[in-house]
Amino acid sequence: AQSVTQLDSHVSVSEGTPVLLRCNYSSSYSPSLFWYVQHPNKGLQLLLKYTSAATLVKGINGFEAEFKKSETSFHLTKPSAHMSDAAEYFCVVTLISGYSTLTFGKGTMLLVSP
Amino acid sequence: DVKVTQSSRYLVKRTGEKVFLECVQDMDHENMFWYRQDPGLGLRLIYFSYDVKMKEKGDIPEGYSVSREKKERFSLILESASTNQTSMYLCASRGTGALPGELFFGEGSRLTVL
Repeated sequence: AQSVTQLDSHVSVSEGTPVLLRCNYSSSYSPSLFWYVQHPNKGLQLLLKYTSAATLVKGINGFEAEFKKSETSFHLTKPSAHMSDAAEYFCVVTLISGYSTLTFGKGTMLLVSP
Repeated sequence: DVKVTQSSRYLVKRTGEKVFLECVQDMDHENMFWYRQDPGLGLRLIYFSYDVKMKEKGDIPEGYSVSREKKERFSLILESASTNQTSMYLCASRGTGALPGELFFGEGSRLTVL
């Protein structure tokens, strides 16, 4: 069994300040973890992925995430927010292989103010 | 780039109507998925298909059916639309050998049932 919890439904930041979007997971086996971004009226786009290699994962648009097994967390960060980062972000957990289905978090809406 | 195209971006239907949502991908992917997205609930899997003419139920298949006659096309069918099926529907595809979480999404079909 697996589950994922995004701890904040909304996060507000000012442009140029750091971004932290929190994600905790539970999984009976070694998980594979992903972050997706969804801009308004668009589909989801893969930001980054963790697959048991390096624990610090870099993605597109300056985002990165760190896998912490002891804390069962996979938080998404970015040093400096940009207006174009305003979107909804989804944390996803699955098993590393096979036909296991994905479990999506409920999403975190990131608001960026000038 | 992989392209997943959902032919109808916005639809308005009446209760009891039959609704077809079409999805086409151009990357020869074996796996295709239909998700439903509702505010505060994240994405929920309706059906998926890992080959032509193959289909598997997801988490919420009731009230839906699917068709996959060709590899590139995966259709979602609402036999008799109801108001509780008003939602955003997202199609996704994934190639064999890709990680379970590496999906390519279409831009979505927003369905309103009156």
